[in-house]
Amino acid sequence: AQSVTQLDSQVPVFEEAPVELRCNYSSSVSVYLFWYVQYPNQGLQLLLKYLSGSTLVKGINGFEAEFNKSQTSFHLRKPSVHISDTAEYFCAVSEIPTGNTPLVFGKGTRLSVIA
Amino acid sequence: DVKVTQSSRYLVKRTGEKVFLECVQDMDHENMFWYRQDPGLGLRLIYFSYDVKMKEKGDIPEGYSVSREKKERFSLILESASTNQTSMYLCASSPRLAEGTDTQYFGPGTRLTVL
Repeated sequence: AQSVTQLDSQVPVFEEAPVELRCNYSSSVSVYLFWYVQYPNQGLQLLLKYLSGSTLVKGINGFEAEFNKSQTSFHLRKPSVHISDTAEYFCAVSEIPTGNTPLVFGKGTRLSVIA
Repeated sequence: DVKVTQSSRYLVKRTGEKVFLECVQDMDHENMFWYRQDPGLGLRLIYFSYDVKMKEKGDIPEGYSVSREKKERFSLILESASTNQTSMYLCASSPRLAEGTDTQYFGPGTRLTVL
């Protein structure tokens, strides 16, 4: 069965600084990968996803992530963060052959952008 | 745009009450999910459904039941609410794929407090 580890539970960063939120997954088969964002008192919304093709995926709000199969990682990056990026970020995985099963989520990383 | 709506944003109930949380999606998705979200624990899957009248237990089904009488509606039922069920409840839906699982779309959440 697959699992997801988000290595940092909290990441504080100054405004306009770069940020990387780390995600590693465990699976013996091919996977789809997702990053979601949750703003305070809201549901989750999709930031970006990797299904196939280019390993560098661009999402909304200037975020991007790179799929690294050998490292089993899918780290999220942004070159310059904004106060409005303060939120909780969740990495999720789906095993392709298993098909049509719920996504497995990491425990989340709380990003705090400091002015 | 996919829309997933939940019947209440905030709900306060007393111990022992029967509680209904309703979720409706407007995109004709086959799959629907109920999660609870608690600080430090991330999202935990309670139940999910692949089709009308079908349901599958998730990771933490104890104390909960579900109902899916129509494709667009998925209800979560707390038969006898307890204080340890105080939490944020998130509903999601997704289309059915032949392989893997694509994007899950989330509602805004219901923050339930059981006194």
